[in-house]
Amino acid sequence: DVKVTQSSRYLVKRTGEKVFLECVQDMDHENMFWYRQDPGLGLRLIYFSYDVKMKEKGDIPEGYSVSREKKERFSLILESASTNQTSMYLCASSLQFSGRASLYDEQYFGPGTRLTVT
Amino acid sequence: GESVGLHLPTLSVQEGDNSIINCAYSNSASDYFIWYKQESGKGPQFIIDIRSNMDKRQGQRVTVLLNKTVKHLSLQIAATQPGDSAVYFCAENGQAGTALIFGKGTTLSVSS
Repeated sequence: DVKVTQSSRYLVKRTGEKVFLECVQDMDHENMFWYRQDPGLGLRLIYFSYDVKMKEKGDIPEGYSVSREKKERFSLILESASTNQTSMYLCASSLQFSGRASLYDEQYFGPGTRLTVT
Repeated sequence: GESVGLHLPTLSVQEGDNSIINCAYSNSASDYFIWYKQESGKGPQFIIDIRSNMDKRQGQRVTVLLNKTVKHLSLQIAATQPGDSAVYFCAENGQAGTALIFGKGTTLSVSS
């Protein structure tokens, strides 16, 4: 089974702190994703990466950055946490990038990190 | 922007009933669709997928139907059980080279 793990299930940080959310997958997937999930807004893509050291902005990248130094690890960084970044953060990975005639678009999700910024 | 949506934010059913959760998509370039289930406190889990060369696909107690003419996707759950209570998301693959696009989700509540 594919396993996607996230470093923390619950995290409480203060406004202005630098926050690191870590995600690790064990299936040698090329693609990794960070989403945030808020009531009534569903899943919103923050950043994704289709290869080591590669990253692409998603729909809501402002206030976030990412790092992918190794294939299995994708980190989300909040440079200066703000209260509006209080949310559930979900990491996902997939075997092959979504595209025409691709066969492996399914994304596997981690359990999520609930971040509260006070 | 958002191109995948669900018709109803919530759906309540009795145990044993069949449930139908609907989803409309707007991107005609999408050729792959997935349904996910998210239980409280957990990440989304894959339920079933379907490609655009199919109209119907069946799994264990679940069936996904795809109507490309009207860009409509549905998830049918047979003999719904309390353990089926969760938020259900549909997703599409959109344009080539982009990430999956998720709908906002339907909360299914199953009462005994």
